Amino acid sequence: EIVLTQSPGTLYLSVGEGATLSCRASESVSSSYLAWYQQKPGQPPRLLIYGASNRATGIPDRFSGGGSGTDFTLTINRLEPEDFATYYCQLYERSPRYSFGQGTKVE
Amino acid sequence: EVQLVESGGGLVQPGGSLRLSCVGSGFTFTSFYMCWVRQVPGKGLEWVAHIKQDGREQYYGDSVKGRFAISRDNAKNSVYLQMNDMRVEDTAVYYCAVKGQYYFNHWGQGTLVTVSS
Repeated sequence: EIVLTQSPGTLYLSVGEGATLSCRASESVSSSYLAWYQQKPGQPPRLLIYGASNRATGIPDRFSGGGSGTDFTLTINRLEPEDFATYYCQLYERSPRYSFGQGTKVE
Repeated sequence: EVQLVESGGGLVQPGGSLRLSCVGSGFTFTSFYMCWVRQVPGKGLEWVAHIKQDGREQYYGDSVKGRFAISRDNAKNSVYLQMNDMRVEDTAVYYCAVKGQYYFNHWGQGTLVTVSS
């Protein structure tokens, strides 16, 4: 079982600043299998990034994903008020099974 | 527009059973795997189960294997989660989701399940 660890737990930022969120896997994974979601209170998660770096439909280009192997990042350029939320990374494994990181809250 | 509407949540006693339903619209239901993902309020996300397009293959997370069963009725654009032998730790919001290749690209609003005596 591969464990995903997200850091930091909470990121304190202001509108207009940039954010870099980290997701580390306990062993090397294919970047095709890594996705990112945004979740706001009282709402379901929303897919942001799939295949580590591909933006989902309708996602603004201030969101970008990158990384490979065990280290992946979600970058948000110039935070907008609606970007303050919790972000989760998610991994597919071949069992098949899916796992999520514990989340990073952007406040 | 893709819509997923869950129903069937509520309060159940430990050891009891509950059946969740999810109706999909705005997409070709028979073309996609369908899934259930749960979230303890205030906590992280946990994949529960998913089912192939024709319903012939199902996959489960370790914590629910042998107790939960996922099924679908393509004629009704619906997916179900039968939950048996429920435990306090099954308390969560249960989301229905459409599965893309290796991710979940559309989610319902969720239905709350509470297991308590």
